[in-house]
Amino acid sequence: SAVISQKPSRDICQRGTSLTIQCQVDSQVTMMFWYRQQPGQSLTLIATANQGSEATYESGFVIDKFPISRPNLTFSTLTVSNMSPEDSSIYLCSAEGNTGELFFGEGSRLTVL
Amino acid sequence: AQKITQTQPGMFVQEKEAVTLDCTYDTSDPSYGLFWYKQPSSGEMIFLIYQGSYDQQNATEGRYSLNFQKARKSANLVISASQLGDSAMYFCAMREGYGQNFVFGPGTRLSVLP
Repeated sequence: SAVISQKPSRDICQRGTSLTIQCQVDSQVTMMFWYRQQPGQSLTLIATANQGSEATYESGFVIDKFPISRPNLTFSTLTVSNMSPEDSSIYLCSAEGNTGELFFGEGSRLTVL
Repeated sequence: AQKITQTQPGMFVQEKEAVTLDCTYDTSDPSYGLFWYKQPSSGEMIFLIYQGSYDQQNATEGRYSLNFQKARKSANLVISASQLGDSAMYFCAMREGYGQNFVFGPGTRLSVLP
């Protein structure tokens, strides 16, 4: 199974600022996924990040708000731009394992004041 | 319509007892996978167990087993001999076909009582 490292693990941010979350996988993976989990809620897919192409965003999420980079097969970043308190969530990076399951990073818990 | 339903927002179980967490799903795709994840208060998502739609036997993984009833479209998670460390949120998820996105249920919060 892949080991996924994510940072920061948590942060407190001011309204209007942006924060970039980094995700490192210990093996090469084709697709990486970014999820958001709002307080008390389930996981919602933000976008799928493929190396060498633009990320594919789900309905309700746009590139200007959540720009994603995928420079190689082991690394991706998600930026949460112009943050508001509604962006306070856990952001989770994931990748697909050998038997189709998703493996997740530790999550980044953001609080926006 | 919800694709994954978990009807138990919260469950309590006594330590060392078994507990069943319910999950029903909705799909017309004959090929799909069902997954259970555990999320402790730390926030990480831990993969527990997988059941494929064509699997003839129920999946088992240590103290975790999946009660797969295909005709009823249910995939309940059974945890045997509950431990205090099992207290967490549990999410049922489904992936239809190949390459499709995962859909997660709303989750069940399990509390194990000493």
